[in-house]
Amino acid sequence: DIQMTQSPSTLSASVGDSVTITCRASQSISTWLAWYQQKPGKAPKLLIYRASDLESGVPSRFSGSGSETEFRLNISSLQPDDFATYFCQQYTSHSQYSFGQGTKLEIK
Amino acid sequence: QLQLQESGPGLVKSSETLSLTCTVSGASVSDYYWSWIRQTPGKGLEWIGRIYPSGNTNYHPSLKSRVTISVDRSKNQFSLRLTTATAADTAVYYCARDYDFWGPWGQGVLVTVSS
Repeated sequence: DIQMTQSPSTLSASVGDSVTITCRASQSISTWLAWYQQKPGKAPKLLIYRASDLESGVPSRFSGSGSETEFRLNISSLQPDDFATYFCQQYTSHSQYSFGQGTKLEIK
Repeated sequence: QLQLQESGPGLVKSSETLSLTCTVSGASVSDYYWSWIRQTPGKGLEWIGRIYPSGNTNYHPSLKSRVTISVDRSKNQFSLRLTTATAADTAVYYCARDYDFWGPWGQGVLVTVSS
Protein backbone atom coordinates (compact mmCIF):
# COMPACT_ATOMS: atom_id res chain seq x y z
CA ASP A 1 0.00 0.00 0.00
CA ILE A 2 1.10 3.55 -0.72
CA GLN A 3 1.43 5.68 2.39
CA MET A 4 0.77 9.41 2.23
CA THR A 5 2.38 11.64 4.83
CA GLN A 6 1.47 15.28 5.22
CA SER A 7 3.41 17.95 7.02
CA PRO A 8 2.95 19.83 9.14
CA SER A 9 0.03 18.36 11.03
CA THR A 10 -0.94 21.82 12.23
CA LEU A 11 -0.06 25.15 10.73
CA SER A 12 -0.73 28.54 12.29
CA ALA A 13 -0.92 31.55 10.01
CA SER A 14 -2.53 34.96 9.68
CA VAL A 15 -4.89 36.41 7.12
CA GLY A 16 -2.80 37.60 4.19
CA ASP A 17 0.01 35.09 4.75
CA SER A 18 1.11 32.54 2.19
CA VAL A 19 1.49 28.94 3.32
CA THR A 20 2.68 25.62 1.94
CA ILE A 21 1.51 22.14 2.92
CA THR A 22 3.59 19.16 1.87
CA CYS A 23 2.45 15.65 1.03
CA ARG A 24 4.92 12.82 0.51
CA ALA A 25 4.14 9.45 -1.04
CA SER A 26 5.94 6.27 0.00
CA GLN A 27 6.51 5.45 -3.68
CA SER A 28 6.17 7.25 -6.96
CA ILE A 29 2.62 8.23 -7.90
CA SER A 30 3.50 10.36 -10.94
CA THR A 31 1.01 13.25 -10.66
CA TRP A 32 -1.96 11.19 -9.53
CA LEU A 33 -2.65 13.40 -6.55
CA ALA A 34 -5.62 15.43 -5.36
CA TRP A 35 -6.05 17.98 -2.60
CA TYR A 36 -9.18 18.59 -0.56
CA GLN A 37 -10.33 21.19 1.94
CA GLN A 38 -12.60 20.21 4.82
CA LYS A 39 -14.29 22.42 7.37
CA PRO A 40 -15.74 21.13 10.65
CA GLY A 41 -18.96 19.22 10.14
CA LYS A 42 -18.74 19.53 6.36
CA ALA A 43 -17.77 17.23 3.53
CA PRO A 44 -14.38 17.51 1.88
CA LYS A 45 -14.22 19.83 -1.11
CA LEU A 46 -12.03 19.06 -4.10
CA LEU A 47 -9.45 21.79 -4.72
CA ILE A 48 -6.83 20.33 -7.04
CA TYR A 49 -6.42 17.15 -9.07
CA ARG A 50 -3.58 15.71 -11.13
CA ALA A 51 -1.25 17.49 -8.72
CA SER A 52 -1.70 20.95 -10.21
CA ASP A 53 -5.06 21.24 -12.00
CA LEU A 54 -7.41 23.64 -10.24
CA GLU A 55 -10.97 22.44 -9.83
CA SER A 56 -13.55 24.72 -11.39
CA GLY A 57 -14.67 27.46 -9.03
CA VAL A 58 -11.68 27.20 -6.71
CA PRO A 59 -9.89 30.53 -6.17
CA SER A 60 -6.58 30.98 -7.97
CA ARG A 61 -4.78 31.63 -4.68
CA PHE A 62 -4.74 27.84 -4.34
CA SER A 63 -2.08 26.06 -6.36
CA GLY A 64 -0.52 22.63 -6.41
CA SER A 65 2.82 21.36 -7.57
CA GLY A 66 5.05 18.33 -7.46
CA SER A 67 5.42 14.89 -8.94
CA GLU A 68 6.63 11.39 -8.13
CA THR A 69 6.82 11.42 -4.33
CA GLU A 70 6.71 15.04 -3.21
CA PHE A 71 3.83 17.44 -3.58
CA ARG A 72 2.90 20.86 -2.31
CA LEU A 73 -0.31 22.79 -1.82
CA ASN A 74 0.30 26.52 -1.76
CA ILE A 75 -2.23 29.02 -0.55
CA SER A 76 -1.33 32.65 -1.15
CA SER A 77 -2.87 35.64 0.58
CA LEU A 78 -4.86 33.60 3.11
CA GLN A 79 -8.49 34.56 3.52
CA PRO A 80 -10.61 33.89 6.63
CA ASP A 81 -12.52 31.20 4.68
CA ASP A 82 -9.29 29.24 4.10
CA PHE A 83 -8.82 28.13 7.71
CA ALA A 84 -9.72 24.46 7.52
CA THR A 85 -8.16 21.02 7.31
CA TYR A 86 -6.46 19.95 4.09
CA PHE A 87 -5.98 16.39 2.83
CA CYS A 88 -4.01 14.93 -0.01
CA GLN A 89 -5.09 11.74 -1.79
CA GLN A 90 -3.28 9.50 -4.24
CA TYR A 91 -5.07 7.66 -7.00
CA THR A 92 -2.52 5.58 -8.85
CA SER A 93 -4.87 2.66 -9.36
CA HIS A 94 -8.51 1.78 -9.05
CA SER A 95 -9.40 0.61 -5.55
CA GLN A 96 -5.98 1.35 -4.04
CA TYR A 97 -6.45 4.88 -2.81
CA SER A 98 -4.95 6.47 0.24
CA PHE A 99 -5.20 9.79 1.99
CA GLY A 100 -2.84 11.88 4.03
CA GLN A 101 -3.69 12.32 7.68
CA GLY A 102 -4.60 15.97 7.21
CA THR A 103 -3.13 19.38 7.96
CA LYS A 104 -5.12 21.72 10.13
CA LEU A 105 -4.62 25.34 9.13
CA GLU A 106 -5.50 27.56 12.03
CA ILE A 107 -5.52 31.25 12.68
CA LYS A 108 -2.47 32.54 14.51
CA GLN B 1 -25.47 22.26 -10.49
CA LEU B 2 -24.64 18.73 -9.41
CA GLN B 3 -25.72 17.92 -5.86
CA LEU B 4 -25.73 14.71 -3.85
CA GLN B 5 -27.59 13.88 -0.66
CA GLU B 6 -27.18 10.83 1.54
CA SER B 7 -30.07 9.35 3.48
CA GLY B 8 -30.59 6.38 5.75
CA PRO B 9 -30.70 5.26 9.38
CA GLY B 10 -28.27 6.95 11.72
CA LEU B 11 -28.25 3.98 14.06
CA VAL B 12 -27.62 0.36 13.11
CA LYS B 13 -27.41 -2.61 15.45
CA SER B 14 -24.26 -4.65 15.49
CA SER B 15 -24.33 -7.62 13.06
CA GLU B 16 -27.14 -6.05 11.03
CA THR B 17 -26.91 -4.41 7.60
CA LEU B 18 -26.06 -0.75 7.11
CA SER B 19 -28.00 0.69 4.19
CA LEU B 20 -27.68 4.17 2.73
CA THR B 21 -28.97 5.91 -0.38
CA CYS B 22 -27.50 8.79 -2.33
CA THR B 23 -29.88 10.94 -4.35
CA VAL B 24 -28.29 12.76 -7.27
CA SER B 25 -29.66 15.98 -8.71
CA GLY B 26 -28.31 18.03 -11.57
CA ALA B 27 -27.03 15.02 -13.50
CA SER B 28 -28.01 11.50 -14.37
CA VAL B 29 -26.52 8.60 -12.42
CA SER B 30 -25.91 7.05 -15.82
CA ASP B 31 -23.47 9.81 -16.79
CA TYR B 32 -20.68 9.35 -14.23
CA TYR B 33 -18.92 7.02 -11.84
CA TRP B 34 -20.07 7.29 -8.21
CA SER B 35 -18.43 6.33 -4.96
CA TRP B 36 -19.05 5.87 -1.28
CA ILE B 37 -16.40 7.08 1.15
CA ARG B 38 -16.40 7.07 4.93
CA GLN B 39 -14.54 9.02 7.57
CA THR B 40 -13.67 8.27 11.16
CA PRO B 41 -11.54 10.24 13.62
CA GLY B 42 -9.24 7.26 14.02
CA LYS B 43 -8.75 5.92 10.48
CA GLY B 44 -9.47 9.09 8.55
CA LEU B 45 -10.94 8.91 5.06
CA GLU B 46 -11.54 5.48 3.52
CA TRP B 47 -12.88 4.75 0.06
CA ILE B 48 -15.55 2.01 0.17
CA GLY B 49 -16.42 1.38 -3.45
CA ARG B 50 -17.76 2.68 -6.73
CA ILE B 51 -20.40 1.98 -9.34
CA TYR B 52 -19.92 2.60 -13.05
CA PRO B 53 -22.58 3.76 -15.50
CA SER B 54 -22.75 0.16 -16.70
CA GLY B 55 -23.71 -0.97 -13.20
CA ASN B 56 -20.37 -2.69 -12.69
CA THR B 57 -18.73 -2.12 -9.35
CA ASN B 58 -15.44 -2.34 -7.58
CA TYR B 59 -14.80 -2.28 -3.87
CA HIS B 60 -12.10 -1.70 -1.30
CA PRO B 61 -10.38 -5.07 -0.88
CA SER B 62 -10.89 -5.11 2.89
CA LEU B 63 -14.64 -4.52 2.58
CA LYS B 64 -15.35 -6.45 -0.59
CA SER B 65 -16.98 -9.42 1.14
CA ARG B 66 -19.54 -7.22 2.92
CA VAL B 67 -20.29 -4.38 0.47
CA THR B 68 -22.80 -4.01 -2.32
CA ILE B 69 -23.32 -0.81 -4.30
CA SER B 70 -26.29 -0.64 -6.63
CA VAL B 71 -28.09 1.93 -8.77
CA ASP B 72 -31.74 2.82 -9.27
CA ARG B 73 -31.86 4.79 -12.50
CA SER B 74 -35.60 5.47 -12.20
CA LYS B 75 -34.97 7.39 -8.98
CA ASN B 76 -31.54 8.75 -9.97
CA GLN B 77 -30.08 7.18 -6.86
CA PHE B 78 -27.33 4.79 -5.91
CA SER B 79 -27.11 2.81 -2.71
CA LEU B 80 -24.71 1.20 -0.28
CA ARG B 81 -25.26 -1.99 1.69
CA LEU B 82 -22.70 -3.10 4.26
CA THR B 83 -23.54 -6.38 5.93
CA THR B 84 -22.59 -7.66 9.37
CA ALA B 85 -21.91 -4.18 10.71
CA THR B 86 -19.63 -3.74 13.71
CA ALA B 87 -18.59 -0.81 15.85
CA ALA B 88 -15.64 -0.35 13.48
CA ASP B 89 -18.14 0.67 10.79
CA THR B 90 -19.26 3.67 12.82
CA ALA B 91 -18.39 6.64 10.63
CA VAL B 92 -19.63 9.55 8.61
CA TYR B 93 -20.58 8.15 5.21
CA TYR B 94 -20.32 10.28 2.08
CA CYS B 95 -21.34 9.74 -1.50
CA ALA B 96 -19.47 11.56 -4.24
CA ARG B 97 -18.94 11.77 -7.98
CA ASP B 98 -15.91 9.74 -8.87
CA TYR B 99 -13.02 10.49 -11.20
CA ASP B 100 -10.60 8.45 -9.07
CA PHE B 101 -10.70 11.62 -7.03
CA TRP B 102 -14.03 12.88 -5.78
CA GLY B 103 -16.16 15.97 -6.16
CA PRO B 104 -18.70 17.10 -5.36
CA TRP B 105 -19.57 15.23 -2.19
CA GLY B 106 -22.84 14.88 -0.34
CA GLN B 107 -23.08 16.49 3.07
CA GLY B 108 -22.50 13.17 4.81
CA VAL B 109 -24.48 11.08 7.26
CA LEU B 110 -23.25 9.81 10.61
CA VAL B 111 -23.97 6.14 11.11
CA THR B 112 -23.43 4.66 14.54
CA VAL B 113 -23.28 0.91 14.98
CA SER B 114 -24.40 -0.04 18.45
CA SER B 115 -24.36 -3.30 20.32
